[in-house]
Amino acid sequence: SAVISQKPSRDICQRGTSLTIQCQVDSQVTMMFWYRQQPGQSLTLIATANQGSEATYESGFVIDKFPISRPNLTFSTLTVSNMSPEDSSIYLCSARLAGGTDTQYFGPGTRLTVL
Amino acid sequence: SQQGEEDPQALSIQEGENATMNCSYKTSINNLQWYRQNSGRGLVHLILIRSNEREKHSGRLRVTLDTSKKSSSLLITASRAADTASYFCTNAGGTSYGKLTFGQGTILTVHP
Repeated sequence: SAVISQKPSRDICQRGTSLTIQCQVDSQVTMMFWYRQQPGQSLTLIATANQGSEATYESGFVIDKFPISRPNLTFSTLTVSNMSPEDSSIYLCSARLAGGTDTQYFGPGTRLTVL
Repeated sequence: SQQGEEDPQALSIQEGENATMNCSYKTSINNLQWYRQNSGRGLVHLILIRSNEREKHSGRLRVTLDTSKKSSSLLITASRAADTASYFCTNAGGTSYGKLTFGQGTILTVHP
């Protein structure tokens, strides 16, 4: 298994500002992902974080709004830019471990409230 | 779509009873994974069952997979109040490159 940590665990932000969420995995990973869970909804994939290159975004998500970095194998950041109340969600990172396993582990999530 | 669809949407039982949740999917899979999410928190991985497996156990959990019907079930035996959570099935098959697609989940409430 893997331990995935996220910082911050929660935040309350003002409209128009940006927040960067960090994700750290304690094991070697192959793939890292970022998900969003809006209130009362299921998880939606935002993007695949690629090491040393631009993230691969899903339909409806763009780099200008959700810039993602992954400078090394076990660390990634997601920035929520120019926030509005509609961005209030839980943001979760996940990772697939190296070694051929298909199991995907999730971080504890970051609960974001935008006023 | 690789999306799993859980059924029922909500399930309410008494402590000690068994809880069964079902999942259906649309395309071929390499494996299917079940997750639990306690209110507003991260997802906890429960069990992964591969497409060539029919049944798998982990503690009080039993998962079955029927690839001919494109369905899976999660059985929690002797439920506890701490099992109260949302349960999701998902899979990463074919060309999804590890990306998981989630349904709405089953909200399980276990009353003490």
